[in-house]
Amino acid sequence: DAGVIQSPRHEVTEMGQEVTLRCKPISGHNSLFWYRQTMMRGLELLIYFNNNVPIDDSGMPEDRFSAKMPNASFSTLKIQPSEPRDSAVYFCASSFRDPGYNEQFFGPGTRLTVL
Amino acid sequence: GENVEQHPSTLSVQEGDSAVIKCTYSDSASNYFPWYKQELGKRPQLIIDIRSNVGEKKDQRIAVTLNKTAKHFSLHITETQPEDSAVYFCAATLGEGGGNKLTFGTGTQLKVEL
Repeated sequence: DAGVIQSPRHEVTEMGQEVTLRCKPISGHNSLFWYRQTMMRGLELLIYFNNNVPIDDSGMPEDRFSAKMPNASFSTLKIQPSEPRDSAVYFCASSFRDPGYNEQFFGPGTRLTVL
Repeated sequence: GENVEQHPSTLSVQEGDSAVIKCTYSDSASNYFPWYKQELGKRPQLIIDIRSNVGEKKDQRIAVTLNKTAKHFSLHITETQPEDSAVYFCAATLGEGGGNKLTFGTGTQLKVEL
């Protein structure tokens, strides 16, 4: 398996533009997580899905952020409009939701820079 | 919700020495405690984990201990090597009962000096 795939790996955009980050989880995994990492705030969980259903979006900073998971093999995180303070590395992670197995596998991340 | 505190934030050791990183958690129902290592510019990767029914687990030079009564767990790295230099994150989860949601500590920057 290729692991969790994220695209793009790097994104530079101007303030006010829409940004869409994409994630393909590991095949067979049924939980998907979006994290944001910054020096100031560390690794923050934004939202997670179980079986394509959003379970907890309490970490989404504000209405400018939205996430979807239309099927088991694809998820998007959208920021509209983007702001400089959104600059961070965004990680997607997936896991197999089972009582005895909880490891989360992280993708390579998308480094977002908003100018 | 769960809250995880991690100490120290930075740790510098000489090659060959041991390193210890400590974490505390708030929710006594948490039952799974992974440790992730993140090298500069890379993704976090699981290095060891422990479940609430186990007090200690060891894998070569790394070990994790868990004290459920005190709600704290620690990562121990022995015979440190330069390649151990990275940021280490502890985490806790309620597991299935919490949808496998992980709460991470703030990270420890470990530097192993020659």
